[in-house]
Amino acid sequence: LAKTTQPISMDSYEGQEVNITCSHNNIATNDYITWYQQFPSQGPRFIIQGYKTKVTNEVASLFIPADRKSSTLSLPRVSLSDTAVYYCLVGDGYSSASKIIFGSGTRLSIRP
Amino acid sequence: DTAVSQTPKYLVTQMGNDKSIKCEQNLGHDTMYWYKQDSKKFLKIMFSYNNKELIINETVPNRFSPKSPDKAHLNLHINSLELGDSAVYFCASSQDRAGSLNIQYFGAGTRLSVL
Repeated sequence: LAKTTQPISMDSYEGQEVNITCSHNNIATNDYITWYQQFPSQGPRFIIQGYKTKVTNEVASLFIPADRKSSTLSLPRVSLSDTAVYYCLVGDGYSSASKIIFGSGTRLSIRP
Repeated sequence: DTAVSQTPKYLVTQMGNDKSIKCEQNLGHDTMYWYKQDSKKFLKIMFSYNNKELIINETVPNRFSPKSPDKAHLNLHINSLELGDSAVYFCASSQDRAGSLNIQYFGAGTRLSVL
């Protein structure tokens, strides 16, 4: 059961790089790591997904160490519109016994 | 076009009533989900269907019954509503349930208030 742990909240300023770390000590071999962003009154939105090493897309980077027991979402040069809750999700959804567990989320607040 | 659409967006009802929330996805996905998000923003999976087959059935009161008439629709029926059922319910879909294919696309949510 790959439970995740994230900081409850983080604050930063516009233009800064923000790194949010998620711990998942019990990650299984087949599990992927997926990050979602949620704005108030909206459903979560996919940001990035990875299995190992580093993944980068147009909005973020995801760093995964060799042991895969943690992952770090990196948001370059944040803006006010990046204020949201960020969820780390670990699982494969393949096995019927596998559980899809969203962490408590990290509430990111960006200030001018 | 909205990829995952839920109706209604808001639902206010009395304790003891029965209500349904509908969800439709036009992404051609095989897997659909229902989540409950409480006031503390914890997002908990309730059910998941893959090609109309129930694959995830979490510890949820049996007052909650999902139904998938086809793989594009997953409805949630709730009997004998209780105050504790007040929450935001999200529907989601993914291409498949395995590995990197399980990126989920969420609807806008249904805010249920039980009075």
